[in-house]
Amino acid sequence: DAGVTQSPTHLIKTRGQQVTLRCSPKSGHDTVSWYQQALGQGPQFIFQYYEEEERQRGNFPDRFSGHQFPNYSSELNVNALLLGDSALYLCASKRTGGNPGLRAVNTEAFFGQGTRLTVV
Amino acid sequence: DQQVKQNSPSLSVQEGRISILNCDYTNSMFDYFLWYKKYPAEGPTFLISISSIKDKNEDGRFTVFLNKSAKHLSLHIVPSQPGDSAVYFCAASVYNQGGKLIFGQGTELSVKP
Repeated sequence: DAGVTQSPTHLIKTRGQQVTLRCSPKSGHDTVSWYQQALGQGPQFIFQYYEEEERQRGNFPDRFSGHQFPNYSSELNVNALLLGDSALYLCASKRTGGNPGLRAVNTEAFFGQGTRLTVV
Repeated sequence: DQQVKQNSPSLSVQEGRISILNCDYTNSMFDYFLWYKKYPAEGPTFLISISSIKDKNEDGRFTVFLNKSAKHLSLHIVPSQPGDSAVYFCAASVYNQGGKLIFGQGTELSVKP
């Protein structure tokens, strides 16, 4: 059973460019979250997707956007890249119960290995 | 505002001894806490969790303690092994917020043979 897979593993982009990162959740998982981890810091929540909709969002500008597909995979897009966007981008998946209002069962999230983005 | 804090950036322990990693939080709404372990070039791996209705949870060599009045949790590893050397993150969430995790800054544990 494959866990959470992310692509690419490493990426170098120039300031001002746009980037798309991809994530396939663990089998049986339907909720995908994205995190940004800067050097020496803990992961910071960007947003979460469930049922192809953005359900929660952290304190990140609109340059950060995402998408979830019917097969539960997800993309993270970052426009107008800044040097400060250089970080490890982590995707996490979990299974959310079918409860209305997204009162998710507190199960642990499984993380992918991350995409190391360098903006030069 | 750092809602979850790990004030020790590093910890060094002798193999076979106990490792104690600490975490403090400020948001009293947090009701679920997790510890993740991270090796270089890998994503965080779930280790152990605890609900706010408990004050202790054990899984093999790993025990997490929760002190709600002090807003403090700790992870005990007994006995420590060299393979435990990694960065440990504590994380917290609020039950009805869909599992959004708030992470601490991490503590790098080094277990020496």
